[in-house]
Amino acid sequence: GENVEQHPSTLSVQEGDSAVIKCTYSDSASNYFPWYKQELGKGPQLIIDIRSNVGEKKDQRIAVTLNKTAKHFSLHITETQPEDSAVYFCAAATGFQKLVFGTGTRLLVSP
Amino acid sequence: DTEVTQTPKHLVMGMTNKKSLKCEQHMGHRAMYWYKQKAKKPPELMFVYSYEKLSINESVPSRFSPECPNSSLLNLHLHALQPEDSALYLCASSQQRLAGGTGELFFGEGSRLTVL
Repeated sequence: GENVEQHPSTLSVQEGDSAVIKCTYSDSASNYFPWYKQELGKGPQLIIDIRSNVGEKKDQRIAVTLNKTAKHFSLHITETQPEDSAVYFCAAATGFQKLVFGTGTRLLVSP
Repeated sequence: DTEVTQTPKHLVMGMTNKKSLKCEQHMGHRAMYWYKQKAKKPPELMFVYSYEKLSINESVPSRFSPECPNSSLLNLHLHALQPEDSALYLCASSQQRLAGGTGELFFGEGSRLTVL
């Protein structure tokens, strides 16, 4: 089955810096790659996603890139703010409904 | 209304108890999910219901019994649980297909279960 690896497990940045989180997946059939943000005591919330027919997608301070050949995808957050502090999960979809999550990255943005 | 509502938020039960977790959505989604999340770990898929029928069971022990009474409701019945089953149980919903459809999985805030 699909296996998603995510790095780093923790990331500390200063406010205003950029943050990059990287994921690799194993199943070449996966074609949907969302990123979720989970704040303490809450369920994960979708922040951006990308499909396999697109190489890059941007939404304000957040961007995701996908390299299908290498089976890599990355989340880029620019001009980080303290409210960006949370756990971020990448994921890959195999089949119509099964989403496999990466191991998570704890992002801490210091003022 | 873009909410998935889960009750109760917290549940403490003994190993011989029978309890249920409930989930409700009114977004017209036809796929509903149960995920289990242990501390500092990612969510792990347990069950998927599609059009009120069980479509995925990730080899979950029979002490967890899902039920989908209608397109808006999803239950998880718990019986004879073990302390290692203590976790955050997340309900989610989506339009029918993730990869082929709009994709977004909407999560509730979870039910935190403690088994004594």
